[in-house]
Amino acid sequence: GAGVSQSPRYKVTKRGQDVTLRCDPISSHATLYWYQQALGQGPEFLTYFNYEAQPDKSGLPSDRFSAERPEGSISTLTIQRTEQRDSAMYRCASSSGTSGRSPLYEQYFGPGTRLTVT
Amino acid sequence: AQSVTQLGSHVSVSEGALVLLRCNYSSSVPPYLFWYVQYPNQGLQLLLKYTTGATLVKGINGFEAEFKKSETSFHLTKPSAHMSDAAEYFCAVISVSGGYNKLIFGAGTRLAVHP
Repeated sequence: GAGVSQSPRYKVTKRGQDVTLRCDPISSHATLYWYQQALGQGPEFLTYFNYEAQPDKSGLPSDRFSAERPEGSISTLTIQRTEQRDSAMYRCASSSGTSGRSPLYEQYFGPGTRLTVT
Repeated sequence: AQSVTQLGSHVSVSEGALVLLRCNYSSSVPPYLFWYVQYPNQGLQLLLKYTTGATLVKGINGFEAEFKKSETSFHLTKPSAHMSDAAEYFCAVISVSGGYNKLIFGAGTRLAVHP
């Protein structure tokens, strides 16, 4: 696609419900990142994918959070049993290159999903 | 561990005035530094980056930043503000860990430009 897209753009859910957020990266981009941005803060790294592999999950706040990218393109981030503290902007970014190691590989960000847990 | 501090969560300038957004970093290795901008309802967009070489980096929309190792700073400037520059700006450093790049962001600075 022309850019990174995310859906939904806004999601309001009740505490205890599960939510799934979707990221559609730039086609052919090998590396995909998820970030969480709380109100008044900068984005914080959650996890990343190199194609379908997920080498690092260390940024995921708890085991209620999971992500997948089964075919190496579209990715989903699922939050189970949502809590109010999960309210944030969730950002996805993709980068070209086989591993995203070079800082010359720019990360292209989608518009984000604003999640509100009531 | 690497970190970024942005001084001032809100900055307000007059149209035509100098824009100065401050960023200080902490890094035990030579840093790769970035400035991103977020316009309303849009994703983060790369303004400029410093990797190696010239310490004065020019970016899009007339912005530039200077890497000063002695001051551990990477301040963003623009000589003359336009109304269209009103946005939120994020400074970030790359943490190369386990063979991939993880961006570490500051808390952001919201720039307001008034007539």
